[in-house]
This record gives sequence, C-alpha cells and structure tokens, in this order.
Amino acid sequence: DTAVSQTPKYLVTQMGNDKSIKCEQNLGHDTMYWYKQDSKKFLKIMFSYNNKELIINETVPNRFSPKSPDKAHLNLHINSLELGDSAVYFCASSPGGNYGYTFGSGTRLTVV
Amino acid sequence: AQRVTQPEKLLSVFKGAPVELKCNYSYSGSPELFWYVQYSRQRLQLLLRHISRESIKGFTADLNKGETSFHLKKPFAQEEDSAMYYCALSGTGGGNKLTFGTGTQLKVEL
Repeated sequence: DTAVSQTPKYLVTQMGNDKSIKCEQNLGHDTMYWYKQDSKKFLKIMFSYNNKELIINETVPNRFSPKSPDKAHLNLHINSLELGDSAVYFCASSPGGNYGYTFGSGTRLTVV
Repeated sequence: AQRVTQPEKLLSVFKGAPVELKCNYSYSGSPELFWYVQYSRQRLQLLLRHISRESIKGFTADLNKGETSFHLKKPFAQEEDSAMYYCALSGTGGGNKLTFGTGTQLKVEL
C-alpha cells in the first residue's frame, strides 16, 4: 500500500499546454503539501492544505492552482506551461505536530 | 524567517571512513529539525528527527542550540549511504512548513 501516491510519474508536454498532477494519501493525515525540486535539487514549498483549506501559498505564479477535493487528495493544475516549470514536483502529507512529512515518489515534469 | 544552510554540495568519503554532513539553521523560536535522505531518483525519506534522539542506519544527529547546528554523523560510511541528504527545519505554526537546506550529495567510494 503506497502511503502517498502521485500520478503521473513522468510528464512530457509542450510549452503553453495545461496539465494536472494528482496526489492521494491514505495515511489519514490532515495536511498535504506540494514541493518543487529544481535542476539543482533545491526543494521549495509551493502550497499547503490543511483539511481542504489553503494555509500556505508561497510566491508561486498564479498559473499554478492547487485543488483539494477532500483531505486525502491534493491536486496541482498548471496552466500555460513554460520551460522553467520543468522540475520534479513532490507531494507530501503530515499528521501535524512535528512528525515530519511522508513524500510521494515525485512527478518529473519536462516542458519542451 | 526560517533558514537552513548546508555548506557542502558534495561530500566524498571512502568506505569505512567517518561521515559528517553539516547543517546550520536560523530561527528565532524553538525549531524542530530533521534529516531526509533521497536515494537516486527516489522519494525523500525521513531519516531522523532531533526530537526522537534515535539512530537510524547508523546515523545520529545532535541539536546544538548554541551553535545552531544539527550535523549528521556516521562513524563508518557504507557504499549504500551514497545519496542526497537534506536538513530541514520546522518552526511553530504556519502549517508546520518544512524549510529545506540545499542538500549535500554524499558519495561513498570503495
């Protein structure tokens, strides 16, 4: 049983397209996150939702829109994709407190 | 503001040698600190938390509030330790946002 699962694992698309990445966790955690890992392996938080409510929204272009239909799901929709969006996107969840995060396996997005 | 600094991008050691991956942090409150490991093209995995004071895979890390450091140590490196290691800090409030350092690539050579 995968605790945090993301789909797709790989995504290659052309500039200007719109795409979505889905994330689901079966851990019963209240909080979910999206992180971006760039080509230099730097990890930066993008969004966080707690029980379907947006609580962290870092400086991210508004082409990126998260959606949380329920507390087990946090999807990421990206409009008008640009070359600079190429990265690995990681979903994570946490039970709160300071127990750390459980990460998904990542979605490698390549914009050509 | 939360900040985590990992000064070394790459650390190369021989098998059996001691390892120390450096991490310094900046945070005005009382931080919670973590080490995460990412093996090649895999997900990040929690390695250890300072609050649990445990040893995982032979690694330990001690929080030194005076030096604002949380260095990761292992007395004898193994080949399977080769990976990317991230130090991370979580402050109070703010959705338990984890701020990551830039990571240190550990390469254990035979």
